[in-house]
Order: sequence, then C-alpha cells, then structure tokens
Amino acid sequence: AQSVSQHNHHVILSEAASLELGCNYSYGGTVNLFWYVQYPGQHLQLLLKYFSGDPLVKGIKGFEAEFIKSKFSFNLRKPSVQWSDTAEYFCAVKPGAGSYQLTFGKGTKLSVIP
Amino acid sequence: DTGVSQNPRHKITKRGQNVTFRCDPISEHNRLYWYRQTLGQGPEFLTYFQNEAQLEKSRLLSDRFSAERPKGSFSTLEIQRTEQGDSAMYLCASSLVLASETQYFGPGTRLLVL
Repeated sequence: AQSVSQHNHHVILSEAASLELGCNYSYGGTVNLFWYVQYPGQHLQLLLKYFSGDPLVKGIKGFEAEFIKSKFSFNLRKPSVQWSDTAEYFCAVKPGAGSYQLTFGKGTKLSVIP
Repeated sequence: DTGVSQNPRHKITKRGQNVTFRCDPISEHNRLYWYRQTLGQGPEFLTYFQNEAQLEKSRLLSDRFSAERPKGSFSTLEIQRTEQGDSAMYLCASSLVLASETQYFGPGTRLLVL
C-alpha cells in the first residue's frame, strides 16, 4: 500500500518569503501526485497535479511542484508567499493504475505573517 | 458547476444511534468517493462508486458503515450504532472518468458522537 509523508507539521513565514513544503511517498509503481489546499473554513481545493510529462508542474496562485522520481518526492514551492496563502496543504498520491483512492499525507499548516 | 454538496454540515448524536449523511456530486461526475478526516490527519479513503456500483472499500469501513449510490447520482453513508471513535469529518468527492482524473471535494459533514 502507498503512503505519504509530509515533513513539516507547521510552517511560519513572513510575507514575501519563499516556500518549500516537502512531500515523499512510498509506492513501487507509476503514481499520480496531487497537492490540495484547505483555506480556513473552506473545503479542499486542488492546487496542482502531476500525471506524466514535464516533472515541473505549475498550479494556481503561483504554486509549482517538482516530481523527482528517484527521490520519491513531490515538493511544493512558491517564490513569494502572501498572507492569503495561510492554509493547510495536503500532498496526495494515487497509483497510476488499478486503484482510484487517494492517499493523503497528514498535512502542513502554513501561517503567513503580514 | 455547483460543486459537491453534503448534508448535513454538522451532526451531533449520542453513542449507539444511527446517522446518515448525503452527498450530491458534481453533475455528470460518474465517480463518487467517501473519505474520513480526523484531527491532525489527512483524509483517509473509505469507499468509492463508479455510477451505482461500489468498486472499492477500505478496511476502515467496518460492518457498521454502509454506503449506497442507488441511481448513480447522490450517495448516502450510514453509520449504525455510532461510537465515539466515529467522530470525524466525513468528506465526499466526485470525479469524471478522464486520463487525468481529478477528485473534487465537498465541504464535509462533521460528526460528533457523545
């Protein structure tokens, strides 16, 4: 079975700082990878996804993620965070074939200080 | 798209009672998923439907849990003889069968078992 590890439980940054949230997964086969975000009081929303092709994926609101197959990683990045990025971020993995269930990490809470 | 909707949004019940939650997926989405999220954890997969067929169930889905999607549209999740450990956020997601399939989440039903 697949699993996802998010290294940071809580990250606190000042506005304009750069962000990198770690995500590692364990699964031996082809995977599809996702980052979801949950803003305070709102439901989970998709930030970006990787299925195949260019391992550098761009998502909404200036976020990007890089799939490094050799490291089983899919880290999320943003060059300059804003107060409005305060939210919880979840990394998720799905096997490339055979199952449709998403396996999520425990999430990283990001607090951006104005 | 009106998004995935879930009802009720909150439910408080006493231990031993039965509860039922409803999920209305995005129109024309033929896959529907149920997840459970507890405090400090990411969502955990419970089950999924393609049209009216329940195709995958997690070991988390004990005998007290049953899900249906009778006409391939809305779905219900019933928990019988609730226990305090069932307290959680129950999330529904839906998707369209595509090569780069994405699950869209609803706002969830928060269950508190006293």
